[in-house]
Amino acid sequence: NAGVTQTPKFQVLKTGQSMTLQCAQDMNHNSMYWYRQDPGMGLRLIYYSASEGTTDKGEVPNGYNVSRLNKREFSLRLESAAPSQTSVYFCASSAPGRPAPGYTFGSGTRLTVV
Amino acid sequence: SQQGEEDPQALSIQEGENATMNCSYKTSINNLQWYRQNSGRGLVHLILIRSNEREKHSGRLRVTLDTSKKSSSLLITASRAADTASYFCATDPGGKLIFGQGTELSVKP
Repeated sequence: NAGVTQTPKFQVLKTGQSMTLQCAQDMNHNSMYWYRQDPGMGLRLIYYSASEGTTDKGEVPNGYNVSRLNKREFSLRLESAAPSQTSVYFCASSAPGRPAPGYTFGSGTRLTVV
Repeated sequence: SQQGEEDPQALSIQEGENATMNCSYKTSINNLQWYRQNSGRGLVHLILIRSNEREKHSGRLRVTLDTSKKSSSLLITASRAADTASYFCATDPGGKLIFGQGTELSVKP
């Protein structure tokens, strides 16, 4: 089925460990996004990529890096995980267009940093 | 900072009743979108209303937009237990979506 695939679905890290969250879409979308969702905070944009080869910071980029590997894949890296990064992470993609069209979301990665 | 603010934060109704959720935002927009999130799942796009539209329908959903008041409402008619979820509004300042904190809707059978 066409959509956005995130891996892994669950992860537990120790403080200071690093990891990469993977995201891939098969809808030929140009734009991809990483959000985090914390209780009572809604979704906050971490980084986005408007097109292959470009990335930009969102609301809460500190502690994260991203790579737009190709048109399909957009990864999020935590270099040195902190307990404050415990959250549910969502990747999304959208077709090009102004105004922004509807986004397609992945099912999320639940990350716990202990 | 959150662009959209939903009201109420939580809503509990009986099956068959209508549910109304409101969203207020701060800056000018090109469009406003509503999403649903079932517990533990990703968000699903429900409906998009452009800034030059005042009302839009999709099945049991009705969305209104008042740009003079910077507010929108989502009405779900004849609610079902399966409508139990969190609902988020999102706006697109700068071309990327910014989400509100959501309304938790509980529909009791």
